Amino acid sequence: DAGITQSPRHKVTETGTPVTLRCHQTENHRYMYWYRQDPGHGLRLIHYSYGVKDTDKGEVSDGYSVSRSKTEDFLLTLESATSSQTSVYFCAINEEGTDTQYFGPGTRLTVL
Amino acid sequence: QKEVEQDPGPLSVPEGAIVSLNCTYSNSAFQYFMWYRQYSRKGPELLMYTYSSGNKEDGRFTAQVDKSSKYISLFIRDSQPSDSATYLCAPAASGTYKYIFGTGTRLKVLA
Repeated sequence: DAGITQSPRHKVTETGTPVTLRCHQTENHRYMYWYRQDPGHGLRLIHYSYGVKDTDKGEVSDGYSVSRSKTEDFLLTLESATSSQTSVYFCAINEEGTDTQYFGPGTRLTVL
Repeated sequence: QKEVEQDPGPLSVPEGAIVSLNCTYSNSAFQYFMWYRQYSRKGPELLMYTYSSGNKEDGRFTAQVDKSSKYISLFIRDSQPSDSATYLCAPAASGTYKYIFGTGTRLKVLA
């Protein structure tokens, strides 16, 4: 357990509404990541952060934005949710020194 | 060609069998090789971590890397029903801090 929590764990929302998912870590890791996981596609990187206010895009960043104002929190925002963003979202941290990633429990998002 | 490819399965085996899970990759810069286990409706958990070529053993699990053929394997000995999960491979290049995950192989171990 790398001390990663995600909130909410489940959310149902409607198309066009904004949604923010939160990832919180307790161990001061520098790198944090947001992935989405869909059948047939596996885990795909949305955005990642390498420090406070330092973020970069992953392979599926369109329609998503992120913010990191504190080391422990990494927020993922869907400005205007679409049905194609129905997915399971995982947050992860990178353990420096071993280059291994540890994942949170996931957020199941349904956009109707 | 995808950077990382895995057979999605499902792979069904009887309890006690030796299981071989495989992954191929295309980027010769990959030096770190990780295997994750993911139970249904849970987050992936790190199972094995290997650097460069060779074998690494941890209990019933053995990870094998053949960089010359860009092929990585995970062997599970004396498989148990509790091993039923999806197994994801994830190679990475040093210093990139970005990881490419295979789509996962679903394993079912039948009691």
